Amino acid sequence: KQEVTQIPAALSVPEGENLVLNCSFTDSAIYNLQWFRQDPGKGLTSLLLIQSSQREQTSGRLNASLDKSSGRSTLYIAASQPGDSATYLCAVRRMDSSYKLIFGSGTRLLVRP
Amino acid sequence: GAGVSQTPSNKVTEKGKYVELRCDPISGHTALYWYRQSLGQGPEFLIYFQGTGAADDSGLPNDRFFAVRPEGSVSTLKIQRTERGDSAVYLCASSLIDTETQYFGPGTRLLVL
Repeated sequence: KQEVTQIPAALSVPEGENLVLNCSFTDSAIYNLQWFRQDPGKGLTSLLLIQSSQREQTSGRLNASLDKSSGRSTLYIAASQPGDSATYLCAVRRMDSSYKLIFGSGTRLLVRP
Repeated sequence: GAGVSQTPSNKVTEKGKYVELRCDPISGHTALYWYRQSLGQGPEFLIYFQGTGAADDSGLPNDRFFAVRPEGSVSTLKIQRTERGDSAVYLCASSLIDTETQYFGPGTRLLVL
């Protein structure tokens, strides 16, 4: 059974700091891995999607890496801003049921002005 | 509409009552998904539709939960004899095909008293 874990559960940093969010998964047979952002009371917004054959994806100040063999992904946020405050969720799709997303519990990020 | 919409945004009901939650996917998206998110947790898969048929309903917790998508567009999640443990945010997502990015709606917050 695929399990996804995210650490830390919560993180508070001053504005401008670079930070790393971690995601680990127990079964390396994944189709892809995706990072989402969730604002309070809102749905999920997709940030980055990494296919199983890829090592990383970048979008603006965000960079996500994938190491399938170790079952790990990291989301790097450069020069954090108060507007980055949200919950960040990672989700994997298994090879045998690629339509189903399996989520971690998320990291709640607070960027202090 | 531009995105996935869900109605109602909030629903308060009493234990034992019947509720229906509606999802309007992005126009043209053939795949539709329901997830449930409890407080402090990531979303958990409930059911996946490809067109009008439920391709995978393995995430439905018990037979009090049922979902339909009669015309291959709008979907309704139905919960009979609600229990306090059903309180959660119910998220709907759609995608063009099942291997593509899922776009999430804002969710319906269900509270069972």
